[in-house]
Amino acid sequence: DTGVSQDPRHKITKRGQNVTFRCDPISEHNRLYWYRQTLGQGPEFLTYFQNEAQLEKSRLLSDRFSAERPKGSFSTLEIQRTEQGDSAMYLCASSLASGWGTEAFFGQGTRLTVV
Amino acid sequence: DAKTTQPPSMDCAEGRAANLPCNHSTISGNEYVYWYRQIHSQGPQYIIHGLKNNETNEMASLIITEDRKSSTLILPHATLRDTAVYYCIVRVGGGGADGLTFGKGTHLIIQP
Repeated sequence: DTGVSQDPRHKITKRGQNVTFRCDPISEHNRLYWYRQTLGQGPEFLTYFQNEAQLEKSRLLSDRFSAERPKGSFSTLEIQRTEQGDSAMYLCASSLASGWGTEAFFGQGTRLTVV
Repeated sequence: DAKTTQPPSMDCAEGRAANLPCNHSTISGNEYVYWYRQIHSQGPQYIIHGLKNNETNEMASLIITEDRKSSTLILPHATLRDTAVYYCIVRVGGGGADGLTFGKGTHLIIQP
């Protein structure tokens, strides 16, 4: 499978625990994006990377959220001290850097449930 | 980015053309119109985008009015697998997915 891969697909955690999600982009894509989607809403942009540089992080929801892409390949999204309101689908996408013919491809997401 | 308005839901018969409208009356000259769709339990899928000319690819056609204040996504021969939420997005620049504003989209239901 050469698409965007996310792991795990489902995560149930207790309130207050930390969680980490992984995203493996399409191999030649240098841009990687994280989105969050709550029930009944469209996806909400969180952050993105070009190679290992995080170019936008002001849309991360709080300082409990952080993302890394240390070697410019896979990325991780961490949520510390989870709250029930963090329950959502977390989506990752990748693309070539902006230009013509550089549409983004999304993974199937990680569904987080905080109990 | 300019705001878009879409009907919350639409029905279409299988085999017929599905025409999904989008209003973006405040669009700026350097903003593109993008369409994505999201099938249940999957991530969004890019469909097509355009600036001012009509565009066609293997999935759909995009018709943008001359004043660019509205557009229509056309699925020429809808199948049951086209049942999904369709998002019309306006943004500056071509390509990428940084800062896309998805809204609630149109839930298109293809009827057998």
